[in-house]
Amino acid sequence: RKEVEQDPGPFNVPEGATVAFNCTYSNSASQSFFWYRQDCRKEPKLLMSVYSSGNEDGRFTAQLNRASQYISLLIRDSKLSDSATYLCVVNLIQGAQKLVFGQGTRLTINP
Amino acid sequence: DTGVSQNPRHKITKRGQNVTFRCDPISEHNRLYWYRQTLGQGPEFLTYFQNEAQLEKSRLLSDRFSAERPKGSFSTLEIQRTEQGDSAMYLCASSFGIGGTGVSGSYEQYFGPGTRLTVT
Repeated sequence: RKEVEQDPGPFNVPEGATVAFNCTYSNSASQSFFWYRQDCRKEPKLLMSVYSSGNEDGRFTAQLNRASQYISLLIRDSKLSDSATYLCVVNLIQGAQKLVFGQGTRLTINP
Repeated sequence: DTGVSQNPRHKITKRGQNVTFRCDPISEHNRLYWYRQTLGQGPEFLTYFQNEAQLEKSRLLSDRFSAERPKGSFSTLEIQRTEQGDSAMYLCASSFGIGGTGVSGSYEQYFGPGTRLTVT
């Protein structure tokens, strides 16, 4: 079983739609959680951290369910510029500061 | 540009040759990481340094791979006797972190643009 699993997509949605991504992780000791965004042929960039209480940044909302080992990202009122691959990321703090990435979910917003 | 830089950006080499990549982190960052990314997959952790000390190496890092960070600033990743399976994007990231290898303060990792390696 992969340490971090995501639906690879692709997701194709019209501009203005709401999109939801889900992710599960296998290591219950994982401490930090993130969503990264990666544009085609570019490096990953941090979109937002994910906290147990849930957090929102503009049109983006992230949720964490530690009991189910489940992370989600919701994008409201999607824009053409949201087209990218969204990577679910877990930090296994014990022993090393290393990020474990999911496969990524590719999103295309259509005009 | 004060971000993470990597050189070269692209490298094409023949199977069996050695290659070396360089990463210059953000200047105030004491932690430096190497990842490898293949098409359609997320980045995979290879190794990381805190200052000049290499603190963890992934099992992905075979004995043909070696990384150094001699003065705690830039880092190099060398691949000896390259194989076609080594073709990938090699990403470097840096961050600021406090404490040792266990639970400690750690901040956002900033990624460089990567070095795309093609082994023919």
